[in-house]
Amino acid sequence: DQQVKQNSPSLSVQEGRISILNCDYTNSMFDYFLWYKKYPAEGPTFLISISSIKDKNEDGRFTVFLNKSAKHLSLHIVPSQPGDSAVYFCAASGLGKLVFGAGTILRVKS
Amino acid sequence: DAGVIQSPRHEVTEMGQEVTLRCKPISGHDYLFWYRQTMMRGLELLIYFNNNVPIDDSGMPEDRFSAKMPNASFSTLKIQPSEPRDSAVYFCASSLGILNTEAFFGQGTRLTVV
Repeated sequence: DQQVKQNSPSLSVQEGRISILNCDYTNSMFDYFLWYKKYPAEGPTFLISISSIKDKNEDGRFTVFLNKSAKHLSLHIVPSQPGDSAVYFCAASGLGKLVFGAGTILRVKS
Repeated sequence: DAGVIQSPRHEVTEMGQEVTLRCKPISGHDYLFWYRQTMMRGLELLIYFNNNVPIDDSGMPEDRFSAKMPNASFSTLKIQPSEPRDSAVYFCASSLGILNTEAFFGQGTRLTVV
């Protein structure tokens, strides 16, 4: 039973445009959400997070939105750059553990 | 700090052999996690420790898998006997807390069981 779902395995975006990565979760006990980025042959690295008491958090080109009623969060990257091409993992914290989604491969074309 | 250090980076072994993966967490971090990454399931949490004590091992797939943390600076994940379906990238991560702090990942061990 996957508690954190990323339904899009991959996304392709033109350089300079917006990238939107989506994530759904099933358990309302999660109280903190994170996005990680992973390059090939490297471990995931923390990108941005949001507490369940907020609905938006912004850090430079990256913004995470949280819709608690829909149990949905999204990561917006504006403008997208070729260096953003990576696998993006959504994660949820709570219930004493950190649970990850399956990841979305983002390709930014120049 | 050099970050989370995993060894080996790559491991190729024959089915039935014992495999041991090693992890050195970031000094001062009191949580340590073992994850497995596969194409189908992404990053799966296998087990995590708090202050060297296993807290949740519900993600460990079978009794063939075992993990230990004898001290705050070292952990092992052992597979005995290994099977081809265990082939994956295994990540170790550590963090200062679990509820709202980021976890720092090692570079992973790519395991291939033939």
